[in-house]
Amino acid sequence: ETGVTQSPTHLIKTRGQQVTLRCSSQSGHNTVSWYQQALGQGPQFIFQYYREEENGRGNFPPRFSGLQFPNYSSELNVNALELDDSALYLCASSLASAQGLDSYTFGSGTRLTVV
Amino acid sequence: QKEVEQDPGPLSVPEGAIVSLNCTYSNSAFQYFMWYRQYSRKGPELLMYTYSSGNKEDGRFTAQVDKSSKYISLFIRDSQPSDSATYLCAMIRRGNNRLAFGKGNQVVVIP
Repeated sequence: ETGVTQSPTHLIKTRGQQVTLRCSSQSGHNTVSWYQQALGQGPQFIFQYYREEENGRGNFPPRFSGLQFPNYSSELNVNALELDDSALYLCASSLASAQGLDSYTFGSGTRLTVV
Repeated sequence: QKEVEQDPGPLSVPEGAIVSLNCTYSNSAFQYFMWYRQYSRKGPELLMYTYSSGNKEDGRFTAQVDKSSKYISLFIRDSQPSDSATYLCAMIRRGNNRLAFGKGNQVVVIP
């Protein structure tokens, strides 16, 4: 299957709960990045995984954590949800190479609402 | 000051008009510049990317980069209703694979 797929597409959680979002990379891509896009804002970098290791992190607290699996799929976990965590969470896969910039492919995102 | 500034004001134009979008940035370490298009309820899709100052054309789209002024632009000629979307500028530093985005411009092309 080509393209980046994310699940679920929509999710409603209560403040204080935990959530896990999932992402399947595009075939052949070895790097996964996660972004948070609040309403009316551009995406903000959360972190990136390469070869199952975290490879860079943005300005997000430790309650945002992730995993990458041997098949390059990935999870984003958020603990102790806050109202401000309501956003579209985007996963992007890419190739870790100088020629990989145009390979950066986004999924359609998971819309998380915290109430 | 944010690393990437993009005036988020919505833009409404008649079909066939030229759409002009721009971003400024503060960090001279940015070396790769992209424009993404994002339709409602979808993820961003790459329109164009460039790594040098000057112009790059692809069909009706032209991207301009002026590194000396830290200013990039996107022009859409002969705009179509299907061009109605949010346009995001994004940048990457050499050796760093994370994108820094602007806030985006919502463009509406009126038939």
